[in-house]
Amino acid sequence: AQSVSQHNHHVILSEAASLELGCNYSYGGTVNLFWYVQYPGQHLQLLLKYFSGDPLVKGIKGFEAEFIKSKFSFNLRKPSVQWSDTAEYFCAVNPGGATNKLIFGTGTLLAVQP
Amino acid sequence: DAGITQSPRHKVTETGTPVTLRCHQTENHRYMYWYRQDPGHGLRLIHYSYGVKDTDKGEVSDGYSVSRSKTEDFLLTLESATSSQTSVYFCAISAGTGHNSPLHFGNGTRLTVT
Repeated sequence: AQSVSQHNHHVILSEAASLELGCNYSYGGTVNLFWYVQYPGQHLQLLLKYFSGDPLVKGIKGFEAEFIKSKFSFNLRKPSVQWSDTAEYFCAVNPGGATNKLIFGTGTLLAVQP
Repeated sequence: DAGITQSPRHKVTETGTPVTLRCHQTENHRYMYWYRQDPGHGLRLIHYSYGVKDTDKGEVSDGYSVSRSKTEDFLLTLESATSSQTSVYFCAISAGTGHNSPLHFGNGTRLTVT
């Protein structure tokens, strides 16, 4: 069965530190990849997405992610985090892209200390 | 934000009682989804709909049923609620399945089964 792994469950950073959150998926075919963010008490919002083309994808709020097909990875990065980035981050995969039935990772809780 | 309204926002119910959660959208999107969010599991797809009266199961559909009699409404029913169904339930919508059709999420319903 397809799965998505987020190995960092809880990350604590100081403001201005760089961020990289890992995401690996298990599916050998064409995939669509997403990162969603959930701020405390809110619903999920789309940060960025990859469907095809340039494997380096830029999203909102200074986030970017790189699709490395050979490693089945789609890691999220931000060069300098802010306190307002405190949230839970979910990687998601749409294997085959047929119906938008996303498979989510278990999430990474990011706490940024001022 | 996409026009998605979930009701109720919070509900406490007893084991064995039926519960219906409602998702209402004003975007006229074709696809609607019900996910549950649990600590350590991320979001898991319960059921989804690809049109009026067209629904299909997700990965955790046991104990749940859905109905979609109108484009704008997607109902999730727990026929006989159990404590394992205590969770936060998110409805999502998308216009299609391509790269221009990401999922948009509602604000969630927090259900507690005692």
